[in-house]
Amino acid sequence: EPEVTQTPSHQVTQMGQEVILRCVPISNHLYFYWYRQILGQKVEFLVSFYNNEISEKSEIFDDQFSVERPDGSNFTLKIRSTKLEDSAMYFCASSEVQLQETQYFGPGTRLLVL
Amino acid sequence: KNEVEQSPQNLTAQEGEFITINCSYSVGISALHWLQQHPGGGIVSLFMLSSGKKKHGRLIATINIQEKHSSLHITASHPRDSAVYICAVRSWDTDKLIFGTGTRLQVFP
Repeated sequence: EPEVTQTPSHQVTQMGQEVILRCVPISNHLYFYWYRQILGQKVEFLVSFYNNEISEKSEIFDDQFSVERPDGSNFTLKIRSTKLEDSAMYFCASSEVQLQETQYFGPGTRLLVL
Repeated sequence: KNEVEQSPQNLTAQEGEFITINCSYSVGISALHWLQQHPGGGIVSLFMLSSGKKKHGRLIATINIQEKHSSLHITASHPRDSAVYICAVRSWDTDKLIFGTGTRLQVFP
């Protein structure tokens, strides 16, 4: 069964460093999402992406964050200058169409900023 | 006030028991999702509902749009059902899912 994959599974970085989290969505899906979950808290929406542009972003998704689909398969989340409070699990998800459609989640990348 | 509220926050059960987890929301929605988060953190989509009822194996999800309420039922619960169950809604005019805080279920043999 097709699945969303994410790399790396864990990343440790120093505050102020740039990180890139990678996702490979399901191949025929058109909508892509990033979510984060700070330890012990609920999952929060970061950004949605369609047709090579951001379709919606949350207040969390400030200028430090960017997303890109550099080729036909990868979908990346970049954090330019990490802060301690960026430590969280980051989930990528994809769906075939928008709105009333199941989103398929990747296994997550656990980011720890020291 | 949270837009999505779940109850209970924690639930323990003996194997074989019937489980109900509730979700109430305050916004107009186009769809409601029930998700399962395993201890390792991975998230699996269980159901996506916009009306009525859906069943998959021992899991049943219902939604009442007028009352802005959904329930997830697990029949004949099993220790492998132990996980966090999350309700998430998508409102009409947005891409984003709004998540509840989750219900932590532990089923003991």
